[in-house]
Amino acid sequence: EPEVTQTPSHQVTQMGQEVILRCVPISNHLYFYWYRQILGQKVEFLVSFYNNEISEKSEIFDDQFSVERPDGSNFTLKIRSTKLEDSAMYFCASRVSSYNSPLHFGNGTRLTVT
Amino acid sequence: QKEVEQNSGPLSVPEGAIASLNCTYSDRGSQSFFWYRQYSGKSPELIMFIYSNGDKEDGRFTAQLNKASQYVSLLIRDSQPSDSATYLCAVKSTGNQFYFGTGTSLTVIP
Repeated sequence: EPEVTQTPSHQVTQMGQEVILRCVPISNHLYFYWYRQILGQKVEFLVSFYNNEISEKSEIFDDQFSVERPDGSNFTLKIRSTKLEDSAMYFCASRVSSYNSPLHFGNGTRLTVT
Repeated sequence: QKEVEQNSGPLSVPEGAIASLNCTYSDRGSQSFFWYRQYSGKSPELIMFIYSNGDKEDGRFTAQLNKASQYVSLLIRDSQPSDSATYLCAVKSTGNQFYFGTGTSLTVIP
């Protein structure tokens, strides 16, 4: 069964450094998402992406964050200057184009900012 | 603010019993409703989804939706220890965004 893949599985970085989290969505999916989950808390929406542009973003997704689909397969989340509070599990998700289709999640990247 | 509320639990049931998980949502325009299972340290895994009022059954799982009451539930019949996990309710409204509840922690006791 096709799946969303994310790399790396764990990223440790120092405060103020830039990180790029990578995702390969399922090939026939057209909507792409980034969510994050701070340990013990709910899954929080960051951004959705469709037709090569951001379709929605949350208050969390400020100027420090950006997303890109640099080629036909990868979908990346960049955090320009990491803060301690950015430490979380980051999930990429994708879904097909039908209105009610569910999200399919990748295995996540655990980001630790020290 | 669109909210999805779940009892955080923990909910404990003996093996073989029925586990009942509940979720309420604030956005009356919500269109589709999803249940995900999340094991500790893992990503959410889709269990089932429901769009129309009433019940939908898939194996040991039954989702129930009441849009008038803004309520969705998940029943797990013949609960197994492997069902022990956190169950996330997710709601999609008219846009592309999915809103998640905080999850209910379920423990099935052998």
